[in-house]
Amino acid sequence: SQTIHQWPATLVQPVGSPLSLECTVEGTSNPNLYWYRQAAGRGLQLLFYSVGIGQISSEVPQNLSASRPQDRQFILSSKKLLLSDSGFYLCAWSRLADSQYFGPGTRLLVL
Amino acid sequence: AQSVTQPDIHITVSEGASLELRCNYSYGATPYLFWYVQSPGQGLQLLLKYFSGDTLVQGIKGFEAEFKRSQSSFNLRKPSVHWSDAAEYFCAVGADTDKLIFGTGTRLQVFP
Repeated sequence: SQTIHQWPATLVQPVGSPLSLECTVEGTSNPNLYWYRQAAGRGLQLLFYSVGIGQISSEVPQNLSASRPQDRQFILSSKKLLLSDSGFYLCAWSRLADSQYFGPGTRLLVL
Repeated sequence: AQSVTQPDIHITVSEGASLELRCNYSYGATPYLFWYVQSPGQGLQLLLKYFSGDTLVQGIKGFEAEFKRSQSSFNLRKPSVHWSDAAEYFCAVGADTDKLIFGTGTRLQVFP
């Protein structure tokens, strides 16, 4: 069966510091991968998605970037965090034209 | 543009009572439709999905949802709620399965 991992689970970072969140999927090959942000009291906002290694689509302009160095690895990064980057970050995977399955999430607090 | 509305921010029911969570969408054709559940501090778990075919879909944990094209709705139902169903529920729609639009969620509280 497929599993999806995210780390760290929780992160507290100062404003202006860099960020790297990692997501890995096991038990499948060539998945579509997604990064979402969930702000308090709001739904999920799609940030990036990837259909293959090195292929990244950005959905909203922002302070963040994503990379996919390996088939089942998806990384969310920032060079300088802003207070507004605080939130709950969720990674998801899917097979072509099928449902998305979510990881446990990373809670980021920028102080 | 696509949009999805969950009109109820917070719903409280007694354990054993029936439940219906509302979801309305705006889209020109029949979209892909999903319901997810999220426990506090956790990721989202897929409850059920509608792609095509029978408009009444069954999901996990005893949930079902009915797609009504005429009302642009995809309401989630459960005949008898358990205390463990307390969580936040999200409806999602998409023209394809990659770019989903999520509602703002409905928080379900269950009283014993």
